[in-house]
Amino acid sequence: EAQVTQNPRYLITVTGKKLTVTCSQNMNHEYMSWYRQDPGLGLRQIYYSMNVEVTDKGDVPEGYKVSRKEKRNFPLILESPSPNQTSLYFCASSLSAFLTYEQYFGPGTRLTVT
Amino acid sequence: AQSVTQLGSHVSVSEGALVLLRCNYSSSVPPYLFWYVQYPNQGLQLLLKYTSAATLVKGINGFEAEFKKSETSFHLTKPSAHMSDAAEYFCAVSESDSWGKFQFGAGTQVVVTP
Repeated sequence: EAQVTQNPRYLITVTGKKLTVTCSQNMNHEYMSWYRQDPGLGLRQIYYSMNVEVTDKGDVPEGYKVSRKEKRNFPLILESPSPNQTSLYFCASSLSAFLTYEQYFGPGTRLTVT
Repeated sequence: AQSVTQLGSHVSVSEGALVLLRCNYSSSVPPYLFWYVQYPNQGLQLLLKYTSAATLVKGINGFEAEFKKSETSFHLTKPSAHMSDAAEYFCAVSESDSWGKFQFGAGTQVVVTP
């Protein structure tokens, strides 16, 4: 089944404890992206990747890191999480960002930082 | 620079009535526009997209949207609401001079009453 998977789905952690949220797609998509969703703010793009080894900042990259070493994986790293990073996170992938192919979204990761 | 404004964070419609969700954008270059739907506890799913072809775009589940350049709008409509249309709807924009970057509106929650 074609899908975008995220792990974990739910995570409660403490301030400052490094964490990684994994994202994997099995559709051979070139483009991947991370978003956070907050009430009243919609989705805001954190980072995106046009292809392997190519990443760029979205609108809210502060406090996050990403890497794209393989085509299928695009992990989101929070090196020192803070309470303002409590949010619902979505990973998405697309065949290509060019020509605006459809983005396929993962199921989301709900992160709580205390 | 691009931005998206969705008018109305909550919309209540009666089953069988017209659904109208408003989206206005600002863009310095011709935009690509999207509507996504999010059902409870799920990721986002593409409803339809405008990519500079026909200004009236038909999507899934009976939804359509019209691109009006003079009004910088991309409103989403469905002639007859169904209970299954209860969800949150997001308008999004991307620009051809910043491939890979997407901006989403704050979302509109649709409630359908019997």
